[in-house]
Amino acid sequence: EIVMTQSPVTLSVSPGERATLSCRASQSVNNRLLWYQQKPGQAPRLLIYDASARATGIPARFSGSGSGTEFTLTISSLQSEDFAVYYCQQYNNWPRTFGQGTKVEIK
Amino acid sequence: QVQLQQWGAGLLKPSETLSLTCAVYGGSYSGFYRIWFRQPPGKGLEWIGEIDHSGNTNYNPSLKSRVTISVDTSKKQFSLKLSSVTAADTAMYFCAHYSSDWRAEGRGYWGQGTLVTVSS
Repeated sequence: EIVMTQSPVTLSVSPGERATLSCRASQSVNNRLLWYQQKPGQAPRLLIYDASARATGIPARFSGSGSGTEFTLTISSLQSEDFAVYYCQQYNNWPRTFGQGTKVEIK
Repeated sequence: QVQLQQWGAGLLKPSETLSLTCAVYGGSYSGFYRIWFRQPPGKGLEWIGEIDHSGNTNYNPSLKSRVTISVDTSKKQFSLKLSSVTAADTAMYFCAHYSSDWRAEGRGYWGQGTLVTVSS
């Protein structure tokens, strides 16, 4: 199975600052990469699909990039509601696999 | 607006069978991907498996011998069964629905989650 590795595990950022999250796949997943946001007690929320397409209703401060094995989620100016855990997931191969998550916390 | 509501037993004994159901209100009943995920307390997400509108299934190999995902004849509900549970199966279980045109919609839909605890 494809192993997804996210870094860093925890990212401490001040409101208004830029956050850059990384996701690496153990083999190419082409652009079949999702990014989810999850807040405590809630289901995950789809942010990005096909590595760079924003999901419906997602603010423009969220952007995704990358292809193959290296992917990035950028939050251009962190708002209070953006402090959460972010997961990447590949859907190029079976089984679908997730990264372990990056927690974005207030600095 | 599509809504998902899920339910099932929240407390099981080891060796019992986990059984969860997810009802889909609204959206497409003819073209879809329906998925089950789980998340152990304090840990990350795991994909369990999925079923499409044609009844094709794919399962996580780590669970494949114990898991069954099915859709009812109306296609308005789908279910997860996981046999021979152990404490390692304790988790929040989520259902999700993506239409066949999910890219055009730009979204999928998730249930609220069901906490399943396995304890003797």
